[in-house]
Formats: sequence, C-alpha cells, structure tokens
Amino acid sequence: EVQLVESGGGLVQPGGSLRLSCAASGFTFSYSWMNWVRQAPGRGLEWVANIKEDGSEKYYVDSVKGRFTISRDNAKNSLYLQMNSLRAEDTAVYYCVGGVEYWGQGTLVTVSS
Amino acid sequence: DVVMTQSPLSLPVTLGQPASISCRSSQSLVYSDGNIYLNWFQQRPGQSPRRLIYKISNRDSGVPDRFSGSGSGTDFTLKISRVEAEDVGVYYCMQHTHWPWTFGQGTKVEIK
Repeated sequence: EVQLVESGGGLVQPGGSLRLSCAASGFTFSYSWMNWVRQAPGRGLEWVANIKEDGSEKYYVDSVKGRFTISRDNAKNSLYLQMNSLRAEDTAVYYCVGGVEYWGQGTLVTVSS
Repeated sequence: DVVMTQSPLSLPVTLGQPASISCRSSQSLVYSDGNIYLNWFQQRPGQSPRRLIYKISNRDSGVPDRFSGSGSGTDFTLKISRVEAEDVGVYYCMQHTHWPWTFGQGTKVEIK
C-alpha cells in the first residue's frame, strides 16, 4: 500500500520559516519525480515544486522561487520543502505527491500574526 | 503558463443521470514524446485529490468504468455515465506537459 505522510505544518508569523517533510512507502521512491502541491482554504489546487528522481532537476512556481527549496533523501524515502520568508498567501494545505498519482493527506501551513 | 479552463464550475446532477465536464487548455498539450499529459482528479469533501484518468482517457486502477475521458488538441471532457452519491465532490483537470504544471479551477458536482 502506498503511503505518503506529511509533517511539519503549523502556525508561523509572516517572514518566518517552516520545513515540511514527507515520508514515502509502498512505491519505488527513488525512481519517482516528487512534488509539492498546495490548496489554500476553500480554493483550488496549485503545483508548487517538483524534483527529479536523483535530485538533479528542480522546478518551482514563480510565486515561491527564491523562497522555497525542495529536496529529497532517497536513502530515507523522504521529501522536504524548506519554506522561508513566508507570506499570508502561502497559507494552505500542502500535499506531498509521488509522480502524479500518489497523494498524501496534507499538512496545514498557516501564516498569520 | 498554460491556462486550464473548466466548465461548468458547478454541476447539479440527478442520481443515475449522466454528467459531463469540459476542460480547455490555452495551448497544445502534446509533449515531445507524442503523449498528451492531461489528467482528471476527483476530490471528495475533506479528502485528498485522487487521480481518475491519465493521458486523456486511461482510467486508474480501481476507478469505476462509469468514468471516462476523451478529447484531443486543446479540448478535453470527463464524463460520468450515471452519477452515484459517492461521486459528489470537486473535479479538476490538470496538465503536466508544460512547466509549471497547472490545474483547472475545479467543477463542483452535487446531487440535485
């Protein structure tokens, strides 16, 4: 059974930082592109970032470039998202996505003073 | 960025009746390998999205055959042949041919 378990969300003040983690199991993590997708409260889905199987390529949506960093540890079957200089508009549920088809349950990030 | 435009945004349906959702992309979704990476997702209330259809018309494992996808070029359609109560939720089209990968706005399916 495929499992993606996100952690690290919470309440942070504007300008602060958070690091999200995702523990993957049940599929070949090291052979999969991995992604972060977010969903603001009551809104639609937005692709945030992704990373190639070996970490050699990374892509970001314009709104997070220079602030967020995606990384992975294939030895630990884990995906990360370092989020700096957080803004109110970054408030959302962040989903870890394996390939395109495997989704975690999400972790809520709230940016507010 | 590729803009994915869905219609309608709200779809009240009678149980047992068909439903159809349209998705249009602002540019061709043909990738260099000849494939069109157009997916459909279902998001039930309080749940994570679940992929139903990949590459326009291929159903994911466990997806009921009342769901079907079709289309070509820049116009795509998701059809539910007979809506059941468990189909209530928001449906999204999504392309991953071009970066950034983009979603449609979502279509909310509800029972009349």
